[in-house]
Amino acid sequence: AQKVTQAQTEISVVEKEDVTLDCVYETRDTTYYLFWYKQPPSGELVFLIRRNSFDEQNEISGRYSWNFQKSTSSFNFTITASQVVDSAVYFCALSEGDSNYQLIWGAGTKLIIKP
Amino acid sequence: DAGVIQSPRHEVTEMGQEVTLRCKPISGHDYLFWYRQTMMRGLELLIYFNNNVPIDDSGMPEDRFSAKMPNASFSTLKIQPSEPRDSAVYFCASSPRNEQYFGPGTRLTVT
Repeated sequence: AQKVTQAQTEISVVEKEDVTLDCVYETRDTTYYLFWYKQPPSGELVFLIRRNSFDEQNEISGRYSWNFQKSTSSFNFTITASQVVDSAVYFCALSEGDSNYQLIWGAGTKLIIKP
Repeated sequence: DAGVIQSPRHEVTEMGQEVTLRCKPISGHDYLFWYRQTMMRGLELLIYFNNNVPIDDSGMPEDRFSAKMPNASFSTLKIQPSEPRDSAVYFCASSPRNEQYFGPGTRLTVT
């Protein structure tokens, strides 16, 4: 069974629309970490955010926001007023336990922002 | 501080040749990871090190692949002999604890 599910393979929106990327995870550990990474067309993988399992506060960074809900095992990512530069593949990832630093990756969501 | 450095950025080689990919992690990071990314298989963890010691190499596809970390500032991933199916982007990442910081990747093409 997949431990990190990104059900949206590809999303296409017009610039300035808001868009939410879904991430659902599965773990038996009480301590775990969730991550989002961005991979733009240039190919590098860029770390966006880390959230630990004990901190359910939502996070906002500029136009980016993250909604962590343990009740639904979800860690969704919203881009407000999307821009063409947001076009990328976005990966959600999970690490389990307090000293296990391997990441379990979702398959990624390709986000296309049309001008 | 400089990010993770990988070299070469692009490598084209013929089947059967030896390929060596290089990585310099971010100073102070205890963990180093090697990944491979292809369209078919996505992002795969090959091996990771903690304090220069290999911890888990279960992702290394075959004996043709080997990785070393002789010191805290350098690691290599070697493929010998290379095959066309090894064509992929190879990423190195380093980590202080949880989040991983990736290098720009090496795009390997084996003809």
